Amino acid sequence: AQSVTQLGSHVSVSEGALVLLRCNYSSSVPPYLFWYVQYPNQGLQLLLKYTSAATLVKGINGFEAEFKKSETSFHLTKPSAHMSDAAEYFCAVSDRAGNQFYFGTGTSLTVIP
Amino acid sequence: DGGITQSPKYLFRKEGQNVTLSCEQNLNHDAMYWYRQDPGQGLRLIYYSQIVNDFQKGDIAEGYSVSREKKESFPLTVTSAQKNPTAFYLCASSQTGVFYGYTFGSGTRLTVV
Repeated sequence: AQSVTQLGSHVSVSEGALVLLRCNYSSSVPPYLFWYVQYPNQGLQLLLKYTSAATLVKGINGFEAEFKKSETSFHLTKPSAHMSDAAEYFCAVSDRAGNQFYFGTGTSLTVIP
Repeated sequence: DGGITQSPKYLFRKEGQNVTLSCEQNLNHDAMYWYRQDPGQGLRLIYYSQIVNDFQKGDIAEGYSVSREKKESFPLTVTSAQKNPTAFYLCASSQTGVFYGYTFGSGTRLTVV
């Protein structure tokens, strides 16, 4: 089965600083990879997805992620954090033959004014 | 607008009672999913259905039941056999194949009192 690891359950950054949220997956075959964001007491919203096109994927709200096969990573970045970015972020992976995702345990992002 | 609706948003249940959480989608998606979310544990799959009148157990199906009589609806029943039912429950749907990603509802927070 696929699995995904998110390093750091809590990340704090200052407003305007770089955001880096880490995600590593376990798979011998490049999977589909996704990042979702969750605001308190709400469902998850899709930020971006990698499906074997460009390795650098741009998403909503200025986020992007780079697929690195050699490192089995799909880290999420944003050049300049905004207060509205404070939320929970989930990385998810699915193999190409699968019908479900496997989610990481999430990273809570705090933005300090 | 198309979307996925979960109701109610908050639900209180006495121990020993069954309770049913509603999930309805008008996206014409074939697949629907139920996840349970607990702090620090990410999302865990309870049940999923890829077609009407068919569904499969996920990783934590014990104490839960589902039905899929209509394409649009995938209700989840939390039975009295579920030992620790207090959690946030998320319903999601997708087109066939996870390539497209999931669309999530806004969740139901169940509290056992």
